Amino acid sequence: NAGVTQTPKFRVLKTGQSMTLLCAQDMNHEYMYWYRQDPGMGLRLIHYSVGEGTTAKGEVPDGYNVSRLKKQNFLLGLESAAPSQTSVYFCASSYWGGEVGAFFGQGTRLTVV
Amino acid sequence: DAKTTQPTSMDCAEGRAANLPCNHSTISGNEYVYWYRQIHSQGPQYIIHGLKNNETNEMASLIITEDRKSSTLILPHATLRDTAVYYCIVRVLADKLIFGTGTRLQVFP
Repeated sequence: NAGVTQTPKFRVLKTGQSMTLLCAQDMNHEYMYWYRQDPGMGLRLIHYSVGEGTTAKGEVPDGYNVSRLKKQNFLLGLESAAPSQTSVYFCASSYWGGEVGAFFGQGTRLTVV
Repeated sequence: DAKTTQPTSMDCAEGRAANLPCNHSTISGNEYVYWYRQIHSQGPQYIIHGLKNNETNEMASLIITEDRKSSTLILPHATLRDTAVYYCIVRVLADKLIFGTGTRLQVFP
């Protein structure tokens, strides 16, 4: 039981490049989330999903796209990376009811130069 | 989602109880109070949640006022490893999880 696994852990991108961050959970959770955390700041919700095949915008969705083709995976894409997207990205998952709280991954540190 | 207000930072002596307050004066009847913490640069960790009644688990206790407009997270015997940012969140079940800025708790020897 690995919980929530994020791939990769670190990445450096050049401005304009694209990439996909992968989040995988093995707890059969319905809900999955992508957050970003800038230095000294709290977490801000980018996109989330309430089930396979569904996605919704969070607080700061611009510049990102997501897909949830399989229940266990939630992908975050950056089509054209910008320096403002330099951040630590966290993925989380939870049961729909939230009774036991959400589980978070270890984070992906992304630097756009 | 209801807004929460937390102090920016707090200190606590090791071995003493840490009492972290949270104000959520606009909370609605079906919104729960959740607490998470984030140690250093790790992913946040769920601590506890409640609706009306006080709750206790192996990590902490949650005290919710009768009018539900505020709550307090209590770490009964703080250790250095409890140094972290603590987030108070209000949400309905099955809603998205929105974080605020949290309280930075520093436990000192």
